[in-house]
Amino acid sequence: GIQVEQSPPDLILQEGANSTLRCNFSDSVNNLQWFHQNPWGQLINLFYIPSGTKQNGRLSATTVATERYSLLYISSSQTTDSGVYFCAGGLSGGYQKVTFGTGTKLQVIP
Amino acid sequence: GAVVSQHPSRVICKSGTSVKIECRSLDFQATTMFWYRQFPKQSLMLMATSNEGSKATYEQGVEKDKFLINHASLTLSTLTVTSAHPEDSSFYICSARPIPGTSGGSYEQYFGPGTRLTVT
Repeated sequence: GIQVEQSPPDLILQEGANSTLRCNFSDSVNNLQWFHQNPWGQLINLFYIPSGTKQNGRLSATTVATERYSLLYISSSQTTDSGVYFCAGGLSGGYQKVTFGTGTKLQVIP
Repeated sequence: GAVVSQHPSRVICKSGTSVKIECRSLDFQATTMFWYRQFPKQSLMLMATSNEGSKATYEQGVEKDKFLINHASLTLSTLTVTSAHPEDSSFYICSARPIPGTSGGSYEQYFGPGTRLTVT
């Protein structure tokens, strides 16, 4: 099956700083999402981005499908951005199941 | 829109008993729902794909007789952990994907808030 690696595994930021999270896939995917898992365990959808670039406020994401990676940018980080960020991807055939990445734990300090 | 609920949010049961977890898509219909399991400080692992009107598809290593899945309608899937043991204690999360053709070609999944199961 597809292997998904995320980097860095842990990240500590000063409030206001910018960061880039990366997601690498072992094989091509055409179904890719980014999530933020809050301290209560809820997964919040950030982006559905099988290719191209999208922006939503201080967050943006870029997927380069041909090179099998995706990036999540967080600008002007806030303490509420703390949590674990996951990417998940798969192929849009069959039941479109996805494989989750290893996660990046982000802590934003005041 | 695209809200998924899970019930219960937290359950404690004794070893040997069975526990049922419900997953509902509240404002959309889903022919396909997914069940994941997450251990502390780890990623989500797909357990099974739940298909409305047919048998679930289980991932390798997941015991189908222990984790019974029923997708009775386009808005409801249930996971029953049978004869639970302490090693089944975990965070169980479901997700749902809107029916193809109703979401602009997207395969986006929407997640429930999770159920924390503790088996004593």
